[in-house]
Amino acid sequence: AQSVSQHNHHVILSEAASLELGCNYSYGGTVNLFWYVQYPGQHLQLLLKYFSGDPLVKGIKGFEAEFIKSKFSFNLRKPSVQWSDTAEYFCAVNAVGGNKLVFGAGTILRVKS
Amino acid sequence: GAVVSQHPSWVICKSGTSVKIECRSLDFQATTMFWYRQFPKQSLMLMATSNEGSKATYEQGVEKDKFLINHASLTLSTLTVTSAHPEDSSFYICSAQPTGAESPLHFGNGTRLTVT
Repeated sequence: AQSVSQHNHHVILSEAASLELGCNYSYGGTVNLFWYVQYPGQHLQLLLKYFSGDPLVKGIKGFEAEFIKSKFSFNLRKPSVQWSDTAEYFCAVNAVGGNKLVFGAGTILRVKS
Repeated sequence: GAVVSQHPSWVICKSGTSVKIECRSLDFQATTMFWYRQFPKQSLMLMATSNEGSKATYEQGVEKDKFLINHASLTLSTLTVTSAHPEDSSFYICSAQPTGAESPLHFGNGTRLTVT
């Protein structure tokens, strides 16, 4: 069975600081990887996804994530956060050919203005 | 973009009653929909996979007789919490996958259920 681990449950940053949220998964086969974001009072939205190809994936709002297969990691990064990035971020994985998404516990990011 | 509508957004019910939650894909067809449950400060836990025209597939530990799922059309899945108890109070979220290979999931806004 797949599992997803997100390293930090709470992160507090000042505006313009750089962000990196860790995500590791455990699964022996080939996976698709996702980052979802949930802004306060809103539903989950897809931030970016990795299916195959270039392991450095660029998403919306200046976010990117790098898939490192040897480390089973898919860390989310942003060079300079904004107050509007305050949200909860979820890493998720599903096995290629499957459609069940397994989520990490989530990381709450608070950006101080 | 693909929109998933979930209704109601919140509901309060008395212990012992049943509550139905609807999940609709508004601008796409979805042969598969998923129901998640999210407890406070915890991640989304998959409850069941809803398959159009067939029985739902429940995750281990989820009572299928308590959480009835019906996926009668390509755009509608319903989750009925039967004989609800206070411990069923939670945030229930549906998601739908447009028909097609490796399509990302689209999520509804969720339903906050409070059982008194």
